[in-house]
Amino acid sequence: DAGVIQSPRHEVTEMGQEVTLRCKPISGHDYLFWYRQTMMRGLELLIYFNNNVPIDDSGMPEDRFSAKMPNASFSTLKIQPSEPRDSAVYFCASSPPRREQFFGPGTRLTVL
Amino acid sequence: AQTVTQSQPEMSVQEAETVTLSCTYDTSESDYYLFWYKQPPSRQMILVIRQEAYKQQNATENRFSVNFQKAAKSFSLKISDSQLGDAAMYFCAYRSAGAGNQFYFGTGTSLTVIP
Repeated sequence: DAGVIQSPRHEVTEMGQEVTLRCKPISGHDYLFWYRQTMMRGLELLIYFNNNVPIDDSGMPEDRFSAKMPNASFSTLKIQPSEPRDSAVYFCASSPPRREQFFGPGTRLTVL
Repeated sequence: AQTVTQSQPEMSVQEAETVTLSCTYDTSESDYYLFWYKQPPSRQMILVIRQEAYKQQNATENRFSVNFQKAAKSFSLKISDSQLGDAAMYFCAYRSAGAGNQFYFGTGTSLTVIP
């Protein structure tokens, strides 16, 4: 099993540009989570899906952020337009019900 | 919503000694799951140990063990024979067994291992 796959691993962009982060969960996992981690705010849950349906998006900071899960094997987190304060490490995690989360390696986003 | 509290932002331990990291949580549920995750400088989140609330026996994984006190809503992690590779950020996490199966993380404890 390849684990949770995230791409890109590093992204550097300029303010105002659109950024798309990608995640491939572990096959068979019903849940998918997106997190943001910064020194100031720690680990924040942005949104999570169950069977491709968004369950809780209350952690999404604002309308500039959107997430989709068009099928069980793929999810995207999009930021448009990006701002310097969006710089962070973004994690995707997947899990079966009632089990631990399996995290991807993270995407380090830098917005200049 | 459930909350998870890690009251020790930083801890240190001498190599080969034992250290205990604290975690408390607030919930009205009777069935849930608890986890400790380790995040080394590589940033990869690694599961250390898990505990089902319905199990009275404390979970153990090699040098890692937990002290689960359900009534006190406490879930501490004990690391025995500490090694340099144990240096990391440790997160306590709670997962609801109810509708939504939501996850909640604590703010983390940064562990330093002194050679």
